[in-house]
Amino acid sequence: GQNIDQPTEMTATEGAIVQINCTYQTSGFNGLFWYQQHAGEAPTFLSYNVLDGLEEKGRFSSFLSRSKGYSYLLLKELQMKDSASYLCAVRGGQNFVFGPGTRLSVLP
Amino acid sequence: GAGVSQSPSNKVTEKGKDVELRCDPISGHTALYWYRQRLGQGLEFLIYFQGNSAPDKSGLPSDRFSAERTGESVSTLTIQRTQQEDSAVYLCASSNSGGALDTQYFGPGTRLTVL
Repeated sequence: GQNIDQPTEMTATEGAIVQINCTYQTSGFNGLFWYQQHAGEAPTFLSYNVLDGLEEKGRFSSFLSRSKGYSYLLLKELQMKDSASYLCAVRGGQNFVFGPGTRLSVLP
Repeated sequence: GAGVSQSPSNKVTEKGKDVELRCDPISGHTALYWYRQRLGQGLEFLIYFQGNSAPDKSGLPSDRFSAERTGESVSTLTIQRTQQEDSAVYLCASSNSGGALDTQYFGPGTRLTVL
């Protein structure tokens, strides 16, 4: 079967750092993707990892460990506009399997 | 426009009616995906097109759901005899080639409400 787990909700303070974890069990692996989705809007691409390690992209970084079936998204210097859902998705074969998303609330 | 567009943006229908949802991908993108997102939940993969063919239809929930794509461009998702559980946002995404690391670009979605 295919399963992706993420925490349902997280809360953090403006200016802080937050780590959103994702664990997965999928048949096949061709990359792990992170998307941001603001309420009522479509998801937008943030990052992807195909090899183990950390990928840094400005305030956002994403880490992957394929042997552990684990990834995290690290958001630094949080801003109010970062309040959104963060979706972890694994590409196995030709389709994508999405996790349920983590709703992040950034408080002043 | 430069992005993925979908129409209608909102659709309210009565149980038992058929609905047709449209997706216009980014020009030149050969891969096209349909997803369903129920309120407060993650994305559920429905179907994937590479060109006009659909190598993966595994996500279609029942035989009431069908999709087609013509001219390697526009795609339509049809839901026959709609049920209340079909109420959701239907998202379309396209990517350049459908390769493993191809980035998907999402449309704004169609919010379907079945009364």
